[in-house]
Amino acid sequence: GDSVTQMEGPVTLSEEAFLTINCTYTATGYPSLFWYVQYPGEGLQLLLKATKADDKGSNKGFEATYRKETTSFHLEKGSVQVSDSAVYFCALHLNFGNEKLTFGTGTRLTIIP
Amino acid sequence: KAGVTQTPRYLIKTRGQQVTLSCSPISGHRSVSWYQQTPGQGLQFLFEYFSETQRNKGNFPGRFSGRQFSNSRSEMNVSTLELGDSALYLCASHPTSGVSNEQFFGPGTRLTVL
Repeated sequence: GDSVTQMEGPVTLSEEAFLTINCTYTATGYPSLFWYVQYPGEGLQLLLKATKADDKGSNKGFEATYRKETTSFHLEKGSVQVSDSAVYFCALHLNFGNEKLTFGTGTRLTIIP
Repeated sequence: KAGVTQTPRYLIKTRGQQVTLSCSPISGHRSVSWYQQTPGQGLQFLFEYFSETQRNKGNFPGRFSGRQFSNSRSEMNVSTLELGDSALYLCASHPTSGVSNEQFFGPGTRLTVL
């Protein structure tokens, strides 16, 4: 079945460091890919998305490129801030007419001042 | 526009009881999905409703059920609660069927089963 494999956490970085969180997927079709972020005590917020191969999603300094050849959608940010501390989820959506999202396990990111 | 609202935010129940959680989607959204989030299993899809019909269901026992009303508000029910049902239950609403757009999540209901 469809699945998302996400970099294990937790990840701890110093402020202004470069961030990469790896995400790969397995899908029977051509999914749309998403990164969601969850701050403590809150629900999920969409961070960025890409709907087809070679698309780059970006938001708030975060970027991820849909790589069909490597079935990957790695999240990157050039200079992280303390406010980026949260749990990040990679997800895929496959079928139209069916809104099910398949999530990775989540990566907890902590940024130290 | 108001976001997705879920009530109650916190709930404590004992084993064997049943519980009903409520979700009000963003105005105009007709699709509502439910997810269970636990430390061990992560985020798992429960079911999705569109226009009062269940359109998709995850791999959960029949104790988990849901429904959607004509105003798109949705409820999920868990009967005969077990300790393992302790989780954060998230609801998400979706604006349009057939288009891969953003899903908007509510803050969740934290259920604790004692």
